[in-house]
Amino acid sequence: GAVVSQHPSRVICKSGTSVKIECRSLDFQATTMFWYRQFPKKSLMLMATSNEGSKATYEQGVEKDKFLINHASLTLSTLTVTSAHPEDSSFYICSARNPRGRMDTEAFFGQGTRLTVV
Amino acid sequence: ILNVEQSPQSLHVQEGDSTNFTCSFPSSNFYALHWYRWETAKSPEALFVMTLNGDEKKKGRISATLNTKEGYSYLYIKGSQPEDSATYLCASPNTNAGKSTFGDGTTLTVKP
Repeated sequence: GAVVSQHPSRVICKSGTSVKIECRSLDFQATTMFWYRQFPKKSLMLMATSNEGSKATYEQGVEKDKFLINHASLTLSTLTVTSAHPEDSSFYICSARNPRGRMDTEAFFGQGTRLTVV
Repeated sequence: ILNVEQSPQSLHVQEGDSTNFTCSFPSSNFYALHWYRWETAKSPEALFVMTLNGDEKKKGRISATLNTKEGYSYLYIKGSQPEDSATYLCASPNTNAGKSTFGDGTTLTVKP
């Protein structure tokens, strides 16, 4: 099946620094990727839709200057958490769907990144 | 139903028990319903993709049904095993390649 790789799996950074998370589709081209954040005991909250070659679409309440998304190629999207604060500590996960021209296309997820800001 | 909702939030069963849980979703503008299994320290993996009212899908001991008119799907696990312990998520995508709305998940723990 299709594979999405996310890196790093864990990162600890100091307040004020920036952290970049990569999401790669390994065996298919993804014009669209999705970035989610998981809060404790809650499900996946969509942060933004990453569009290859154009600006990302952010969900309401998500600061685009805080969470920079770049989708420079059909296989790579990056999420940069800028000027990180302890409240940004969370689990971030990306996904992509491989439409293949069909309605029934599931999402393929990366492994997720546990970010801790100290 | 305005959002995707799952119940119960958590479930503890004994090995060998059969169990089921529910996903409710908006029935208007329905496109598809996905079920995922998310094991600890792993990526969520798709179990079922369901698109038609009355769909029933099965994978081993796990099966799912879909009612798009009333906006619900059931996931059944027959003869639960400890390896079934995971969080089960359902999601409703709004287009073929569009974003999905996820439920909060049902966390299943199967005790040996």
